Amino acid sequence: DAGITQSPRHKVTETGTPVTLRCHQTENHRYMYWYRQDPGHGLRLIHYSYGVKDTDKGEVSDGYSVSRSKTEDFLLTLESATSSQTSVYFCATGSGGVGETQYFGPGTRLLVL
Amino acid sequence: QKEVEQNSGPLSVPEGAIASLNCTYSDRVSQSFFWYRQYSGKSPELIMSIYSNGDKEDGRFTAQLNKASQYVSLLIRDSQPSDSATYLCAVNGGNNNNDMRFGAGTRLTVKP
Repeated sequence: DAGITQSPRHKVTETGTPVTLRCHQTENHRYMYWYRQDPGHGLRLIHYSYGVKDTDKGEVSDGYSVSRSKTEDFLLTLESATSSQTSVYFCATGSGGVGETQYFGPGTRLLVL
Repeated sequence: QKEVEQNSGPLSVPEGAIASLNCTYSDRVSQSFFWYRQYSGKSPELIMSIYSNGDKEDGRFTAQLNKASQYVSLLIRDSQPSDSATYLCAVNGGNNNNDMRFGAGTRLTVKP
């Protein structure tokens, strides 16, 4: 979806280094999400935000933190990257509510050596 | 037991056939159900959403929901090679509130 961008698209880093991934949307959606996708596990929710400075944990939040200072930007930080955090990370946005459709960004491939 | 289960496949069908993809979910109070298509190396894109029991048709795609059996399926009629992708089932509105839970996906190959 052209309204959601992620940066960087690819990153290689070393164990123990901090990493920040950025999601930017032009859809003005209230909700933003960070997922990771791994073979055999599908998409798993890391954290989500339901407004500026309002965030909550998802299914696999350990080792990750998030921040949302503006409606359009949602940052995911790996405080000290580990090899188990090697994955493809997707940002998604939605209007919220149980019937919402979530729209996905292009993804970031992260390799932690 | 996973919250959302799908056969991983691969499911292989000939061009022009009907592809049937199945999904079961464990949270009985789930309210919203989605099918996403994901091409290799790309992000998921929404194909269908369904909220009520029964069938919902959109072009060559039909989603079927049976809440009593906790079962949702996707039928693709007149399958085309361009339908070859991984199909993700997603469920929302259960006891996890706003959490969308995804299955691991079924890989579909449509052979010319």
